[in-house]
Amino acid sequence: QVQLQESGPGLVKPSETVSLICSVSGVSITSYYWSWIRQSPGKGLEWLGYIYHSGLSSYNPSLQGRLSLSLDKSRSQFSLRLTSLSPSDTGIYYCAGTRTGVFDPWGQGTTVIVSS
Amino acid sequence: DIQMTQSPSSVSASVGDRLTITCRASHNINNWLAWYQQKPGKGPELLISSAPSLQRGVPSRFSASGSGTDFTLTINGLQPEDFATYYCQQTDIAPFTFGPGTRVDL
Repeated sequence: QVQLQESGPGLVKPSETVSLICSVSGVSITSYYWSWIRQSPGKGLEWLGYIYHSGLSSYNPSLQGRLSLSLDKSRSQFSLRLTSLSPSDTGIYYCAGTRTGVFDPWGQGTTVIVSS
Repeated sequence: DIQMTQSPSSVSASVGDRLTITCRASHNINNWLAWYQQKPGKGPELLISSAPSLQRGVPSRFSASGSGTDFTLTINGLQPEDFATYYCQQTDIAPFTFGPGTRVDL
């Protein structure tokens, strides 16, 4: 059974950087592309980007270069780094396995609040 | 980006009802669409991808149809566990985009 677990700091100040980790269990991290998706009241569900174990990645242009993704095969983890945070980045951040653009499975999500 | 819309945004229904949710894409996405169900406090779960392919374990009362720009999700005989929010998502081209959701209330 594939399981994903997000972790992160919770509260971050405006203009700072947030790093989130998704830990993958029950499947090889080489089996999927891996995405980050966030959910906020103002924007709904928004796909942020994906990464593959080969290093291939794709990002949503809406993030204007603020996002970078990385993957650690030895730890079976992948990570998100989002810079220059503003209150509009507040939301629940999910990690998800991705195949042909379909997101399954999903983690339970981690909340990021951007506030001073 | 491909814009996704859904209707209705919310609906009240009863156990046993037949419910149809509509999703529309701003561009032709052929049949590259997925439907997700989300319950309060949980992440979305995949129901159907590239209609009408039902995910393993999803009850047969769920079905999907459509192609091009217009799609529907139908629930035949609503059950108590079906009261949730439903999202469509185009899987055709990045950036992958979601509809705003349809909340189904008792």
